[in-house]
Amino acid sequence: AQKVTQAQTEISVVEKEDVTLDCVYETRDTTYYLFWYKQPPSGELVFLIRRNSFDEQNEISGRYSWNFQKSTSSFNFTITASQVVDSAVYFCALSEAPSNTGKLIFGQGTTLQVKP
Amino acid sequence: DTEVTQTPKHLVMGMTNKKSLKCEQHMGHRAMYWYKQKAKKPPELMFVYSYEKLSINESVPSRFSPECPNSSLLNLHLHALQPEDSALYLCASSQPGTSVANEQFFGPGTRLTVL
Repeated sequence: AQKVTQAQTEISVVEKEDVTLDCVYETRDTTYYLFWYKQPPSGELVFLIRRNSFDEQNEISGRYSWNFQKSTSSFNFTITASQVVDSAVYFCALSEAPSNTGKLIFGQGTTLQVKP
Repeated sequence: DTEVTQTPKHLVMGMTNKKSLKCEQHMGHRAMYWYKQKAKKPPELMFVYSYEKLSINESVPSRFSPECPNSSLLNLHLHALQPEDSALYLCASSQPGTSVANEQFFGPGTRLTVL
């Protein structure tokens, strides 16, 4: 069965601190996709990144970086020099492939609070 | 245009009412989704439409009735709802993928309260 675990329910940091959000997944598929979404208080889920199971390269986008390690089934997300606007709920999600269903398996989410 | 719009933003309805939620996208996506999200929980998939045909119904009660009139529009018709159906209803769209799983783009949601 597929499963995504975000063990950190809530994290609170002070602005400018670095913070890492953990994501551990389980799947029997050899081909799969991992995603991170951000949900600010307004409610809309904002797509941040997609990574397929064959691409273990880490990725950096501005203050955001992602560390994908198949050996530990983890896809962790780091925010460098956090800002108040980063306060949101962050979801990690898994999708099997090939798939025409688009079904996402979400983790329970991590609420990040960045204090000024 | 990378936006998914949803109307209304808020909806309060009684258990005997009939109402509809509307979702629209103009990104040329041919897969559209309805999710239900309770407070402090992840979104739960309800329905998936692929090329305007219902491809997934996650055992959703019949008081929720989806409709996809064309490739840009997705409706969710509500009838005889229960208070426990109060939630944020999110619409999303993506390109359908047979060999890849494409990212889904979400709308801002409709916050539904059933009295």
